[in-house]
Amino acid sequence: EVQLVESGGGLVQPGGSLRLSCAASGFTFSSYSMNWVRQAPGKGLEWVSYISSSSSTIYYADSVKGRFTISRDNAKNSLYLQMNSLRAEDTAVYYCAREGDSGAEYRNNWFDPWGQGTLVTVSS
Amino acid sequence: QSVLTQPPSVSEAPRQRVTISCSGSSSNIGNNAVNWYQQLPGKAPKLLIYYDDLLPSGVSDRFSGSKSGTSASLAISGLQSEDEADYYCAAWDDRLNGWVFGGGTKLTVL
Repeated sequence: EVQLVESGGGLVQPGGSLRLSCAASGFTFSSYSMNWVRQAPGKGLEWVSYISSSSSTIYYADSVKGRFTISRDNAKNSLYLQMNSLRAEDTAVYYCAREGDSGAEYRNNWFDPWGQGTLVTVSS
Repeated sequence: QSVLTQPPSVSEAPRQRVTISCSGSSSNIGNNAVNWYQQLPGKAPKLLIYYDDLLPSGVSDRFSGSKSGTSASLAISGLQSEDEADYYCAAWDDRLNGWVFGGGTKLTVL
């Protein structure tokens, strides 16, 4: 069974840092690009970051560029999101999501599956 | 303000048909595939439609997708109470170099 399990969320003060992890199983992790998507309480979905299978291509949403860093360890089947200089508006459930088709171009791909999410709360 | 525009809410009676629109531009929907996601209350999003109009395995054929120009639509026929959820459209945006989502549409089955 394909599975994604996020961890590392919690309460952090404004200006602080947090590192999220996403453990993948049930598929060849090194063949797939991965994404982070977040959802603020009561709000819609917002894409955060993309990383290709070999880490050669990385994209960030403007809202997190320069503060967040996406990375992966294919040997450990794990995806990470290092979040620095956290702000109240970064409070959200963070989901990791795999691309749907490892052979399709990233622009015409999709997110499937999604993890269950991990909550990050930025507050003093 | 979301890059893709969806109606905030739609409602319809059981067994009826409803459509949810998603409007974008030439840099996203007009040039790339559209995907739809369903988010049941308290759950993670789930893929509903991919590549404009394709149904993932296991998804009911009561769901269908279409695209024309810079707009896309999700149609749900034979509405059931379990279809009550938030629905999101998404597409890659060539100008922003990232994925963009619609603001989401809350479906209420009356």
